[in-house]
Amino acid sequence: DAGVTQSPTHLIKTRGQQVTLRCSPKSGHDTVSWYQQALGQGPQFIFQYYEEEERQRGNFPDRFSGHQFPNYSSELNVNALLLGDSALYLCASSLSGLPTGELFFGEGSRLTVL
Amino acid sequence: KQEVTQIPAALSVPEGENLVLNCSFTDSAIYNLQWFRQDPGKGLTSLLLIQSSQREQTSGRLNASLDKSSGRSTLYIAASQPGDSATYLCAVSYGQNFVFGPGTRLSVLP
Repeated sequence: DAGVTQSPTHLIKTRGQQVTLRCSPKSGHDTVSWYQQALGQGPQFIFQYYEEEERQRGNFPDRFSGHQFPNYSSELNVNALLLGDSALYLCASSLSGLPTGELFFGEGSRLTVL
Repeated sequence: KQEVTQIPAALSVPEGENLVLNCSFTDSAIYNLQWFRQDPGKGLTSLLLIQSSQREQTSGRLNASLDKSSGRSTLYIAASQPGDSATYLCAVSYGQNFVFGPGTRLSVLP
């Protein structure tokens, strides 16, 4: 049973560039959420995708955007990168976006912005 | 504002001790609460999920309790082992998003 997979695992960008991170949910799951985790802090909710639409969004600027594909995989795009965007980006999957559903996380994508 | 706090921020114990990690949340209108473990630089591993209607959940040496009225949850780890060393995070579901605490960094010394 494949768990949540994310790519790439590590990447380095410079300020002003754009980045795309990818996520495949756990087998059987149809909902993907993205979180940003700064060093030493808990993850912060970015947004959730269900049925190829953004269902809910946290307190992040429009530079952060996403997409969900018909196979339930998802992308997170960040434009005009800032130094403060350096973080571990975590993808979580769940079933049908149920508020009572259990979250399963991938290993994350470590982004460093220079 | 929905906030989650965890006490202590860090904990160091000798192997074999029983220990308790605490999680508090300000808004008690939760759907569920989930405890995770995170090893350095890694993703989150789910440990226990407690629905809002439940009082506790157990898995092996782990036991988590939930008291919605007081806005608290505790994670009890019995007979701690060096392999338990990690950061433990609690997360509260308010619908489509989970609000995370900052975590408790646990070190179990051999």
